[in-house]
Amino acid sequence: GAVVSQHPSWVICKSGTSVKIECRSLDFQATTMFWYRQFPKQSLMLMATSNEGSKATYEQGVEKDKFLINHASLTLSTLTVTSAHPEDSSFYICSARGDASYEQYFGPGTRLTVT
Amino acid sequence: AQSVSQHNHHVILSEAASLELGCNYSYGGTVNLFWYVQYPGQHLQLLLKYFSGDPLVKGIKGFEAEFIKSKFSFNLRKPSVQWSDTAEYFCAALEYYKLSFGAGTTVTVRA
Repeated sequence: GAVVSQHPSWVICKSGTSVKIECRSLDFQATTMFWYRQFPKQSLMLMATSNEGSKATYEQGVEKDKFLINHASLTLSTLTVTSAHPEDSSFYICSARGDASYEQYFGPGTRLTVT
Repeated sequence: AQSVSQHNHHVILSEAASLELGCNYSYGGTVNLFWYVQYPGQHLQLLLKYFSGDPLVKGIKGFEAEFIKSKFSFNLRKPSVQWSDTAEYFCAALEYYKLSFGAGTTVTVRA
């Protein structure tokens, strides 16, 4: 089956620093990747959608300058949280979709804690 | 925009009991619906999906869901749960290429 990995699985950083999270599709080409944020006991909220080689499309209310997304290849998308603050602490999940279907395959998530 | 609501926040039941989780969506047009499961410490996995055709959809691990258009509902069912069904369950609706998720239901199965 389609496998999506994320790295790191958890990260702790100091306020004001930047953190990069990687999302990889391991056995298929992901033309579209999605980034979600999940707060404790809450649902997944879509942050942005990225297509390989194009600029990401951000959801309303998501700061594009704070959450930089790059989808440089068909197997890799990165999310960089710039100048992180404690309120950015959350669980970030990516998913990937190929051309063949609407189905999204989810990564295991990255727990970000900003101190 | 599509919105999805799940009625139960936390369900606790015993092994062999039957499970039904409610899900309602808001959009009245063509809709594609999903149920995902997230086991503790694991990533989201697709349980089943509805795109068209038979409104009773069979999924993995003995789960099924029924699409009732008149009620805007897509409830998940399992006749007899096991301890290993303890997980978080999310209903989701696809609008264009985006998934909108419900808040999730935590299911705890007691042995």
